[in-house]
Amino acid sequence: DAGVIQSPRHEVTEMGQEVTLRCKPISGHNSLFWYRQTMMRGLELLIYFNNNVPIDDSGMPEDRFSAKMPNASFSTLKIQPSEPRDSAVYFCASSRNGDLAYGYTFGSGTRLTVV
Amino acid sequence: ILNVEQSPQSLHVQEGDSTNFTCSFPSSNFYALHWYRWETAKSPEALFVMTLNGDEKKKGRISATLNTKEGYSYLYIKGSQPEDSATYLCAFPVRGGSEKLVFGKGTKLTVNP
Repeated sequence: DAGVIQSPRHEVTEMGQEVTLRCKPISGHNSLFWYRQTMMRGLELLIYFNNNVPIDDSGMPEDRFSAKMPNASFSTLKIQPSEPRDSAVYFCASSRNGDLAYGYTFGSGTRLTVV
Repeated sequence: ILNVEQSPQSLHVQEGDSTNFTCSFPSSNFYALHWYRWETAKSPEALFVMTLNGDEKKKGRISATLNTKEGYSYLYIKGSQPEDSATYLCAFPVRGGSEKLVFGKGTKLTVNP
């Protein structure tokens, strides 16, 4: 398996533009997580899905952020409109449902810069 | 709010030194504790998942212990090498059995040759 695949690796956009981040989890993993990493707050969970259903989105900072998982192999995180304070590294991770023996597998992250 | 604390925040050691750092977590309703290793410009990688009080896990020169009664875990690195330089994160489920993990801010280890 190629692991968790995120795209793009880097994104630079202007304030006010829409940004879409993409994630393909590991096949057979039915939980998917979106995290944001900043210097100030470390790794923060934004939202997680189980069997494609959003379970907890309490970490989504505001209505400008939305996430979808239309099927077991694809998820998107969208920011519309983007702001400079959204600049961060966004990680997607997946795990097998209830299988804590191996922890999460993280993707390589998307470094977002909003200017 | 669930608090997962790691100390120290950063650590510089010489090649060959042994070192250890700490993760503190709530001792009530313990379910599991995760350790991750995060190298610069890469993604976090799972090291250990620990579930039993007194558990000790080992992977090469890295080992971890767990005390669920007092709410701490230690990560040890024996004979540090420059390739051990990374940020070491611990994480704790928000609720017992939950897959939602809260991460500590990490200990950044630098091993000087």
